Amino acid sequence: GAVVSQHPSWVICKSGTSVKIECRSLDFQATTMFWYRQFPKQSLMLMATSNEGSKATYEQGVEKDKFLINHASLTLSTLTVTSAHPEDSSFYICSAQSPGDGNIQYFGAGTRLSVL
Amino acid sequence: SQQGEEDPQALSIQEGENATMNCSYKTSINNLQWYRQNSGRGLVHLILIRSNEREKHSGRLRVTLDTSKKSSSLLITASRAADTASYFCATNEAGGFKTIFGAGTRLFVKA
Repeated sequence: GAVVSQHPSWVICKSGTSVKIECRSLDFQATTMFWYRQFPKQSLMLMATSNEGSKATYEQGVEKDKFLINHASLTLSTLTVTSAHPEDSSFYICSAQSPGDGNIQYFGAGTRLSVL
Repeated sequence: SQQGEEDPQALSIQEGENATMNCSYKTSINNLQWYRQNSGRGLVHLILIRSNEREKHSGRLRVTLDTSKKSSSLLITASRAADTASYFCATNEAGGFKTIFGAGTRLFVKA
């Protein structure tokens, strides 16, 4: 199957700093990538849909100025958590759809963010 | 809100037994998918079943889909300790492009 790489896998930062998470499709071009947030023992909550070359589409309740998404190329989308606070601590997961593969999503391994 | 609801929320079985997880959804769909997540990791796609299909097999996995009841089930036969994980159903709404995940079932297989 297609491979999606997410980096970093774990980040600890101080309150007020910004953190960037990268999501790369390694062996296919992804026009659409998705960013999810997952709380412990809960399901994935879609935050935004990242479209190559255009602005991301954010889900209701997700602050676009807080969670900046950039999809500058067909293989890379980034999520920047700006001015992070302890309540932003969570597990963030990206996924990408491979063209011609239906709606199957290929997931990165996730990034655990801990804000002190 | 999440499209899918799954039951049970948690399931504990002995190695060798079968595990059945159920998923219900609310709207018309193009397809339904099942994913697996090991603790602290990303999700891995297991199987996709289209709205015009009723049953699909992949190795020890068997998925059924009943569009009249808006429900699906995932059966894992002859379970192994390595099957311990969370399992999520996900639906792609008809006419839409987003994939919505259910709450998940946490499966624990005891060796």
